[in-house]
Amino acid sequence: AQSVSQHNHHVILSEAASLELGCNYSYGGTVNLFWYVQYPGQHLQLLLKYFSGDPLVKGIKGFEAEFIKSKFSFNLRKPSVQWSDTAEYFCAVSYSSASKIIFGSGTRLSIRP
Amino acid sequence: GAGVSQSPSNKVTEKGKDVELRCDPISGHTALYWYRQRLGQGLEFLIYFQGNSAPDKSGLPSDRFSAERTGESVSTLTIQRTQQEDSAVYLCASSLAAAGGPYEQYFGPGTRLTVT
Repeated sequence: AQSVSQHNHHVILSEAASLELGCNYSYGGTVNLFWYVQYPGQHLQLLLKYFSGDPLVKGIKGFEAEFIKSKFSFNLRKPSVQWSDTAEYFCAVSYSSASKIIFGSGTRLSIRP
Repeated sequence: GAGVSQSPSNKVTEKGKDVELRCDPISGHTALYWYRQRLGQGLEFLIYFQGNSAPDKSGLPSDRFSAERTGESVSTLTIQRTQQEDSAVYLCASSLAAAGGPYEQYFGPGTRLTVT
């Protein structure tokens, strides 16, 4: 079955620490990959996306993600987090054979000031 | 411009009653999605509309759930004979075309449904 796994449910970091959130998807051939963020009290919004080309994708607010096909992974990274990065982060995938986007269960990120 | 809007923002209903949730997508967006988010969980795909194509209903959890969309405008999600497990935030999103392509989904604020 098509699925997305986010293994970290809650991550707590201090400001300036480096961040890596894991995301793995099930096999399904060609994939399109997304990271969405939901800041407290706000709507879900797109951080970055991968469709083709360079597997290292840069998004807003200094975030980046690397698509590693052999590992079915699309981990989100940021070299130095800020208190304002406190939010819930969702990985999502769509497969070429279907148009719907499947979301992971989310990772809550808490940053200690 | 205006984003995706949803109404009501909150709905409390008694078990067994029917509810109707509304989504107004961004003008010009041909694709519209409904998701359900239970407390502490991820987004569960419910249904997807793309233009005049038959909707993808593969995520609807039971026949108590149905959704309609007229053209490329408003969509309504109806839950009949609500149960307590239907309590969740129902999110709507729209995009220019199939989000399996290079088009970003824009999410609404959601409707928080509580079934008592």
